[in-house]
Amino acid sequence: SQKIEQNSEALNIQEGKTATLTCNYTNYSPAYLQWYRQDPGRGPVFLLLIRENEKEKRKERLKVTFDTTLKQSLFHITASQPADSATYLCAPMNTGFQKLVFGTGTRLLVSP
Amino acid sequence: DVKVTQSSRYLVKRTGEKVFLECVQDMDHENMFWYRQDPGLGLRLIYFSYDVKMKEKGDIPEGYSVSREKKERFSLILESASTNQTSMYLCASSSRDRGVQPQHFGDGTRLSIL
Repeated sequence: SQKIEQNSEALNIQEGKTATLTCNYTNYSPAYLQWYRQDPGRGPVFLLLIRENEKEKRKERLKVTFDTTLKQSLFHITASQPADSATYLCAPMNTGFQKLVFGTGTRLLVSP
Repeated sequence: DVKVTQSSRYLVKRTGEKVFLECVQDMDHENMFWYRQDPGLGLRLIYFSYDVKMKEKGDIPEGYSVSREKKERFSLILESASTNQTSMYLCASSSRDRGVQPQHFGDGTRLSIL
């Protein structure tokens, strides 16, 4: 069955450093991969989408990579800030109807 | 900005009750989704709809039904609530415009079944 793995342990980093979050998937060949941010008590908010033929996508301080050989996506936040503290969810997606399967998320804590 | 509104932030019901969770979106989106989110299990898709009066089962539809009588509104129904349905329920919508579109989520309903 399809499996999406994100590190369940929280990632603690210091302000100003680069945070790197990992999303691995198995038994799956997604055409796209989306990343969302979720704050406590709120719904997820869309951040970035990357296609299988794109190696890398950037948006301001965010960068996402997509390696279909390794079956992995990496999500980077450069110059991290305490306001970046949240849970980050990856969601691979096939073509066709836009149904997402979400990973369980990784909690990021950025200390001042 | 897209707004997805869920009718209640917190809800407490009793075992065996019929429970209705309502979701309204204001962006004329064709697709709507219901998820539940539990610690360690992440977001799991219960039902989705790609048009008025259309519905499809997601990964965990047992014990739930849905209704979509109007484009903007998607209701989740717990036919006979049970304690294992205590969870955070999230509604989302997305456009069917050309290309892959993100999902827009409401802030959730935290449902407790006693």
